[in-house]
Amino acid sequence: EAGVAQSPRYKIIEKRQSVAFWCNPISGHATLYWYQQILGQGPKLLIQFQNNGVVDDSQLPKDRFSAERLKGVDSTLKIQPAKLEDSAVYLCASSFSPGRQDGYTFGSGTRLTVV
Amino acid sequence: SQKIEQNSEALNIQEGKTATLTCNYTNYSPAYLQWYRQDPGRGPVFLLLIRENEKEKRKERLKVTFDTTLKQSLFHITASQPADSATYLCAQGSGGYNKLIFGAGTRLAVHP
Repeated sequence: EAGVAQSPRYKIIEKRQSVAFWCNPISGHATLYWYQQILGQGPKLLIQFQNNGVVDDSQLPKDRFSAERLKGVDSTLKIQPAKLEDSAVYLCASSFSPGRQDGYTFGSGTRLTVV
Repeated sequence: SQKIEQNSEALNIQEGKTATLTCNYTNYSPAYLQWYRQDPGRGPVFLLLIRENEKEKRKERLKVTFDTTLKQSLFHITASQPADSATYLCAQGSGGYNKLIFGAGTRLAVHP
């Protein structure tokens, strides 16, 4: 089975620029998550989708971050404008459905460096 | 707010020994805990899930326990190998949407 695909793998941008990350989850997984992982820390949930609806975005900095999941499959996460503190790895994960308490399948992430 | 705490210091052990990693949580007991392995430059990989009403779960050389009195989960790797060297993340799950809150992870180094 194919894993969770993310692109790009690496991105370097200047502060105040914008950037977008793409994620393709495992086929059939209804739930999609975006996590931010700062070096030395655990992943922090930014946003959770159930199909194409948002079920949790309480920790998403909505003044600069946005995400969408059109047609309940692929998802994009955007940052505009970026700040130095946004430097982190952005991980996408998916799971079958919330009720099954499944483990998540993560992609390899996008490492963002803001200079 | 709920917190997951893992030992931030790296754990160094000799090959063949049992590695034991600790995960503590505050406040209410989560419905379940999950353990993940993360290698440098990679996303976390799911290992085991243990539910609130389960005391112990095993998978090959892995064993995890859940003590709701101590508010703690222990993760054991028996007969450890250098290939087990990685960061291990504990995550608590609760609520109807399978939302996971992760700890910072503990780095394990197994020396030959």
